[in-house]
Amino acid sequence: SQQGEEDPQALSIQEGENATMNCSYKTSINNLQWYRQNSGRGLVHLILIRSNEREKHSGRLRVTLDTSKKSSSLLITASRAADTASYFCATVPPSYDKVIFGPGTSLSVIP
Amino acid sequence: DTAVSQTPKYLVTQMGNDKSIKCEQNLGHDTMYWYKQDSKKFLKIMFSYNNKELIINETVPNRFSPKSPDKAHLNLHINSLELGDSAVYFCASSQLAREETQYFGPGTRLLVL
Repeated sequence: SQQGEEDPQALSIQEGENATMNCSYKTSINNLQWYRQNSGRGLVHLILIRSNEREKHSGRLRVTLDTSKKSSSLLITASRAADTASYFCATVPPSYDKVIFGPGTSLSVIP
Repeated sequence: DTAVSQTPKYLVTQMGNDKSIKCEQNLGHDTMYWYKQDSKKFLKIMFSYNNKELIINETVPNRFSPKSPDKAHLNLHINSLELGDSAVYFCASSQLAREETQYFGPGTRLLVL
């Protein structure tokens, strides 16, 4: 299947540290997106990176994409307690009209 | 202003009952989706509508029937509820059907007893 898989499943860090989450997928993509889900809430879109892009930044977020390795990483710098959430990568294949989500990484930022 | 709203937020019901979940978006988007998130947080698409037309229908039991009266609304009706239907159901919308950012509702937590 096209499903992405995040790694690690769970991550616990101290406030101020950087958090890195990885996503691997199986087939070619049109783009890859990262979403955040706070406990008990819906998903919120963070960033979209297209297949012809290698890196993208948004505030404290940095996303990289390596299509040769079929992987992406999300880096959150100078983490805050408010960053505690689950983070999902989602892939969109070139010829398919849907977004496929991975199982997510649960991030805990300890104050 | 709530972009994507769902009602009800919580739904507790007995096995065998029929229930509906409603979704509305005020973003002017053309495409709406239903997702199911299980207890392990795995999110799986169920249906997608584009301008009131069904465009994605994943392997979902016939007991689940989506209805889109207009492009701002996508409701989900579930017949003969089963224990395994317990999950969080999310509605989402996007400007286009393809590759666009999705905006999620707050979710409906369904518990079947």
